[in-house]
Amino acid sequence: ETGVTQTPRHLVMGMTNKKSLKCEQHLGHNAMYWYKQSAKKPLELMFVYNFKEQTENNSVPSRFSPECPNSSHLFLHLHTLQPEDSALYLCASSPERGSPLHFGNGTRLTVT
Amino acid sequence: DQQVKQNSPSLSVQEGRISILNCDYTNSMFDYFLWYKKYPAEGPTFLISISSIKDKNEDGRFTVFLNKSAKHLSLHIVPSQPGDSAVYFCAASWIGTHAGKSTFGDGTTLTVKP
Repeated sequence: ETGVTQTPRHLVMGMTNKKSLKCEQHLGHNAMYWYKQSAKKPLELMFVYNFKEQTENNSVPSRFSPECPNSSHLFLHLHTLQPEDSALYLCASSPERGSPLHFGNGTRLTVT
Repeated sequence: DQQVKQNSPSLSVQEGRISILNCDYTNSMFDYFLWYKKYPAEGPTFLISISSIKDKNEDGRFTVFLNKSAKHLSLHIVPSQPGDSAVYFCAASWIGTHAGKSTFGDGTTLTVKP
């Protein structure tokens, strides 16, 4: 139990599908994040939410749409993705400032 | 332009010996550095951190050294154990900002042989 739970663990979707990734944290943290890890590349920050408000969008294409209904839950809505979007998507949380990230185990996404 | 670099994609050491993982950064504004460890099919987990006011931080078998003038940090694991086999990520950020805004390196895969 990592304290940060991501579902599903694996997802295969076609380019015309719509799907959502879910993240839930039980650590009482105020900040939540989406990261993307592609093969042979470093972790890339996608979105930051602080107290449910989006504070950062790292030039992510609009086919990725985040949602943070409360401080414990974070979603990433996916639509009309491209094969190059296939990657490991990691959710993380942290206290508001200064402390390290707590990651979930990720969702392995394959776009066909 | 990659601001945090781990130039060794992989490292193999014998059990009981020292493992040294290296990380270089280019942005002199970074003042907080972290190491994460990642096992297959799991998310990264925090290992150890250091702020720029220190040059060394130790936690059990793990020690991180920071050389600000060289913009270089290293993680020492002594003694290395087979359970330490994992991917190690170096990350850098600014104190006072979200740790989640860290910039990550590519990672180094450590293999500890029994």
